[in-house]
Formats: sequence, structure tokens, C-alpha cells
Amino acid sequence: DAKTTQPNSMESNEEEPVHLPCNHSTISGTDYIHWYRQLPSQGPEYVIHGLTSNVNNRMASLAIAEDRKSSTLILHRATLRDAAVYYCILRDGVRDDKIIFGKGTRLHILP
Amino acid sequence: NAGVMQNPRHLVRRRGQEARLRCSPVKGHSHVYWYRQLPEEGLKFMVYLQKENIIDESGMPKERFSAEFPKEGPSILRIQQVVRGDSAAYFCASSPYQGGVAFFGQGTRLTVV
Repeated sequence: DAKTTQPNSMESNEEEPVHLPCNHSTISGTDYIHWYRQLPSQGPEYVIHGLTSNVNNRMASLAIAEDRKSSTLILHRATLRDAAVYYCILRDGVRDDKIIFGKGTRLHILP
Repeated sequence: NAGVMQNPRHLVRRRGQEARLRCSPVKGHSHVYWYRQLPEEGLKFMVYLQKENIIDESGMPKERFSAEFPKEGPSILRIQQVVRGDSAAYFCASSPYQGGVAFFGQGTRLTVV
């Protein structure tokens, strides 16, 4: 139902870049790719989103494949505070649409 | 989290009582979503509302649960005759338009004893 596929968990060392993959082979032309994360005991937090072009903001970068069937969230320099569950979500930009969370990727940061 | 306020943060109810969870969206946002997260589980969609209208309630249990988002005031998620299985974290989110970025509150943690 979530329409995206992510690894269950990943590990990374502190202060190193992290690449979180997401497959969305059934993406439609009007679907935006959104990433959220949920830190322990907190509400989900918006990270980044994009449609076709790569996107950068102060938190992360989003690299979108040319065919849009996959994307990668890039944390340029992971810190311990980046340990969270990361969710890749497709949202239709045309019609009213609820946000469906999958299981996400649990990112562990090693000191 | 861009100003979505949920209260109370923690709520304890005895079995059979009513629980009222409040969500004040970001100022100017007219779209509100409610989610439930059971311990060690994922976020489950419950209901999507716009001002005075329920757009999608496909995730709401058929009985005891209701939601509203009046013209004035916060959105309310109401659970009547609570049972232990209702114990969970309930999150609210708001967005300014359909498909827009959603901003989440810190949640209300409901414990039914």
C-alpha cells in the first residue's frame, strides 16, 4: 500500500555520509517523492521532497533517478542525532491524498 | 516541527472513559491528518480532514472513534469507552494544501489503565 520499498535497517559511522535508498517502480507522473524521519519518542519530521530534479536543503540532499523509479536520500555528514526511522513516501500533487507510511529504514549511527 | 500543537502530551484514562485529543494546526493550514502508532509499530493513518469536512476516514475504527475539525478551534480526535488496546501515541499533522508538506505535532500518548 505504501508503494515504496526501503531496506529495513542501515548502519553508518558518525561524521560520514549516508545514502538511504528507496525504490518506487510504480511511481506516476504526478507523484512527488517525500522523505520524513521519526526520531525516538518524537513525531515525524519533514526532511525533503522533489519531483524530477535533485534537491538540496540544509538537512539533506535528494537524488532522483532519471526514470524516477528510485531515489536516494543523502545525509552529508551523519551525527548521532540523525539516528531515526526514515520514510520514503509518494504523494500525488494533484488530488487530495493521505500520507501512507511504510516501515521505513531504521538508521543506526555508530560513534 | 513548524508549530503543530497537540495536547495533552500524556493522557491516562480508565477503561470505559472518554479520551479527547486536541490538535492545533500551523496557522493558516486547513488540512489535518491523524495517525496512530502502537508501541514498536509503524504509523497508521486514521483520518484526513479539511475545515468542517472529513475527506478520508478509511483508517478510523468503525465504532467509538470520531474526529472533527471545526471552522474555529482545534481538530479533535474523540475516543469513547476506551479499552486497553487504544493505548498508543496519536499524532496529528497539518498542511497548507493538498499534497503539501505535512508538519507533525509531538503527539499525545494515551494510556488506558
